[in-house]
Amino acid sequence: SQQGEEDPQALSIQEGENATMNCSYKTSINNLQWYRQNSGRGLVHLILIRSNEREKHSGRLRVTLDTSKKSSSLLITASRAADTASYFCATGVNRDDKIIFGKGTRLHILP
Amino acid sequence: SAVISQKPSRDICQRGTSLTIQCQVDSQVTMMFWYRQQPGQSLTLIATANQGSEATYESGFVIDKFPISRPNLTFSTLTVSNMSPEDSSIYLCSVEDLAGGYNEQFFGPGTRLTVL
Repeated sequence: SQQGEEDPQALSIQEGENATMNCSYKTSINNLQWYRQNSGRGLVHLILIRSNEREKHSGRLRVTLDTSKKSSSLLITASRAADTASYFCATGVNRDDKIIFGKGTRLHILP
Repeated sequence: SAVISQKPSRDICQRGTSLTIQCQVDSQVTMMFWYRQQPGQSLTLIATANQGSEATYESGFVIDKFPISRPNLTFSTLTVSNMSPEDSSIYLCSVEDLAGGYNEQFFGPGTRLTVL
């Protein structure tokens, strides 16, 4: 079964607002990664957060990780139309092992 | 990060035929991965391909249906054999980057396959 489970499944917000997506997982992990996919194209790697980290930033993105709750969140601040995409979390149990994807959140930014 | 290309980018195929998808990386990598993404779904790992050894397949995927080659450290192919409409999906390859000590994976642009 898949490791990660994102919520919400779909999210629509106005341009300029912040978007928050959550990912929950079931077993202990070594790392968690967030990806963006535009309209059925390839995946773009956004951020990797390690199990011993609690928060990471990259531009308008902020990722948090709470290993006690087995959850992560991705915050996109000041959203833009170009942020419209599907966002996936993927968890890695070991450092050099495969990663397992969640079901994804479809984000739609309204003009 | 590595630059990954895939060919073809899309194809429409007839039932019962086979299609080979190529994945090329601009640097040498140890592990390459092949994923399937069915319409509206998330990514499912098909197999892990290491150079010089047989690919390791995930549960539900078999070599006869999805043979994989990995002739060198920059190239791999995935063949979808004896296709049916249920094989219509996006197929993606990815490579690992262990430079940071973790399996950070980067993806190619995908191959959109439609089977009639």
